[in-house]
Amino acid sequence: SQTIHQWPATLVQPVGSPLSLECTVEGTSNPNLYWYRQAAGRGLQLLFYSVGIGQISSEVPQNLSASRPQDRQFILSSKKLLLSDSGFYLCAFYLTTTSGWEDEQFFGPGTRLTVL
Amino acid sequence: DAKTTQPPSMDCAEGRAANLPCNHSTISGNEYVYWYRQIHSQGPQYIIHGLKNNETNEMASLIITEDRKSSTLILPHATLRDTAVYYCIVRVDIPGTALIFGKGTTLSVSS
Repeated sequence: SQTIHQWPATLVQPVGSPLSLECTVEGTSNPNLYWYRQAAGRGLQLLFYSVGIGQISSEVPQNLSASRPQDRQFILSSKKLLLSDSGFYLCAFYLTTTSGWEDEQFFGPGTRLTVL
Repeated sequence: DAKTTQPPSMDCAEGRAANLPCNHSTISGNEYVYWYRQIHSQGPQYIIHGLKNNETNEMASLIITEDRKSSTLILPHATLRDTAVYYCIVRVDIPGTALIFGKGTTLSVSS
């Protein structure tokens, strides 16, 4: 079955510290992968998406970056965190059906980041 | 920007049907209507999607108007566990297209 994992589940970091959040997918190959962020009391904001290894598209300019070193691994990073980076970070991919079409975007459990 | 408009909040009594409206007056012919929900502190969960015909699955029904400018998500017998933020999203018919979330409707189900 197709599953998605994220870690850590929660993280508290000081301002100016680096960040690395990891997302891995199982049970599928060459998935399209997505990073979203949800700030407190706000909606989901698409940050990055990737259609393949080394291919990253950024939706919002900021001090975050993403990388895809392996087919089923997606990493969100920052060199220096800001207070405004606090939020709920979600990784997602599309479940592929036997016909190859992608109907359902499936989300991971998320990482709750607090920057102090 | 999201291409849909939803009421910010709705209330529903447990056991009754919850009808959540969505306006998508600028929808294109190749765009599907998707519904997701997000329970507090969890990632969004897919509910249902459709193009122009009404759809039903084990979770809900989706009614799309003939002109496709609006739709309604129906939870036939709402339970307390259906309390969540419900998002109506239009998505173009291209594989891999990201979902753009709006503010959604907060549905509160009470006993």
